[in-house]
Amino acid sequence: DQQVKQNSPSLSVQEGRISILNCDYTNSMFDYFLWYKKYPAEGPTFLISISSIKDKNEDGRFTVFLNKSAKHLSLHIVPSQPGDSAVYFCAADKNNAGNMLTFGGGTRLMVKP
Amino acid sequence: DADVTQTPRNRITKTGKRIMLECSQTKGHDRMYWYRQDPGLGLRLIYYSFDVKDINKGEISDGYSVSRQAQAKFSLSLESAIPNQTALYFCATSDPGLADEQFFGPGTRLTVL
Repeated sequence: DQQVKQNSPSLSVQEGRISILNCDYTNSMFDYFLWYKKYPAEGPTFLISISSIKDKNEDGRFTVFLNKSAKHLSLHIVPSQPGDSAVYFCAADKNNAGNMLTFGGGTRLMVKP
Repeated sequence: DADVTQTPRNRITKTGKRIMLECSQTKGHDRMYWYRQDPGLGLRLIYYSFDVKDINKGEISDGYSVSRQAQAKFSLSLESAIPNQTALYFCATSDPGLADEQFFGPGTRLTVL
């Protein structure tokens, strides 16, 4: 059973609007969460992360929100740009267990000009 | 030059053949990982190594083996390839001093006929 789930396999957004990507997890031991971005024919690259002691982390156009009680996190991209079109993976780690990441299935974001 | 390289980038082979995928890194990280990506399932951990003398099974190690030849090199072998091992394979590295972020290679697309 997948411990980290991204229930939307794809999302289409107009350029300039907000993109919201969602991620749910089941393991309450997860205490650190990351988002990775992947372009075709490339490996995933780190985008932004959040510790379980926070509920929000912001980096430029990217903000991650964490709702521990709901075991839910989301990535907001504002404003969305065509270059943001990629697959986004949510990942989780537990108790700093040596960088042992559990990944979600990914969401393909398409930003239309 | 890329920090994490993988060879080959693409490989087509037949059922029963032995295949080796290679990973090299210049980041100086002790920790290295092998993942496979399947549509909708995200990245799943096959094996990981925290130093040259340390090898550990991940979530889906059956049918795979690894070798850590040096700090910079980590190879994945399929002893007798089968069609359901057709996937995208990624190598990654990490440094415990950099929180949970992992750095990925560009991937190897393997097709087993």
